[in-house]
Amino acid sequence: NAGVTQTPKFQVLKTGQSMTLQCAQDMNHNSMYWYRQDPGMGLRLIYYSASEGTTDKGEVPNGYNVSRLNKREFSLRLESAAPSQTSVYFCASSEWGAREQYFGPGTRLTVT
Amino acid sequence: DAKTTQPPSMDCAEGRAANLPCNHSTISGNEYVYWYRQIHSQGPQYIIHGLKNNETNEMASLIITEDRKSSTLILPHATLRDTAVYYCIVRATNKLIFGTGTLLAVQP
Repeated sequence: NAGVTQTPKFQVLKTGQSMTLQCAQDMNHNSMYWYRQDPGMGLRLIYYSASEGTTDKGEVPNGYNVSRLNKREFSLRLESAAPSQTSVYFCASSEWGAREQYFGPGTRLTVT
Repeated sequence: DAKTTQPPSMDCAEGRAANLPCNHSTISGNEYVYWYRQIHSQGPQYIIHGLKNNETNEMASLIITEDRKSSTLILPHATLRDTAVYYCIVRATNKLIFGTGTLLAVQP
C-alpha cells in the first residue's frame, strides 16, 4: 500500500496562475483533509471532506477550492495564486470517526 | 477549543526516556489529547491519543493528569530517529489544529 500520495512534490507559480494539487489514498478511508504549513509554523486545516460527496471549510479556506472526486481522491485548487499561498501543503486521510490521520509527503509550493 | 502550551525545545540522550510535557488547562470534557510528530520535511505522523485514561502503544505512553489540565508523552527509549517536532493537540473533533510543538533533539 502506498498510503497517501500527493502530486506534484514541488511547484513554482507566478502570481495569478492557477493549479490543482492532487491527493489520493489507497486505505479505503472515508475522510480526507488538506492542510498548509508555513515556515516555522504548525499545520492549519484548509478544507476537509468527512465522506465522499461532502466538503467543508477548515480554519483557512480563503483562496482555495476542493473537489472530492471519489472515495480515493481529494484535490485542492488555487484559482489565482498569491505569494501568501507559498507554503507546504499536506493531504491526510482517516477512517470515519477515527482519531488517527495518515499524512502524505507534502507539496512544496512557491508563488512568486 | 483548548489551547496547548509546550516547551519550544528539549534534549534527550539516546537510550533514555524522553518526557514531553503539554499544558492544556482550558480543556473541555469532550476534548481528546492527541500527539503527532513531524520528522524534518515529512508529513506528520500520529503517535497516540487519549481522553481521560493513560494510554500506551508500541510507540509511546500518554499520561494525562487526573484534572486533565496537562499531559506527558513518554518515549521509553529514545533513538536518533526520534528527533522531530512533537505536537500536542487538544480537540473534540478530527479537525486538528497544530501549534508550533516541541523540537526534541536526541543526542548520541
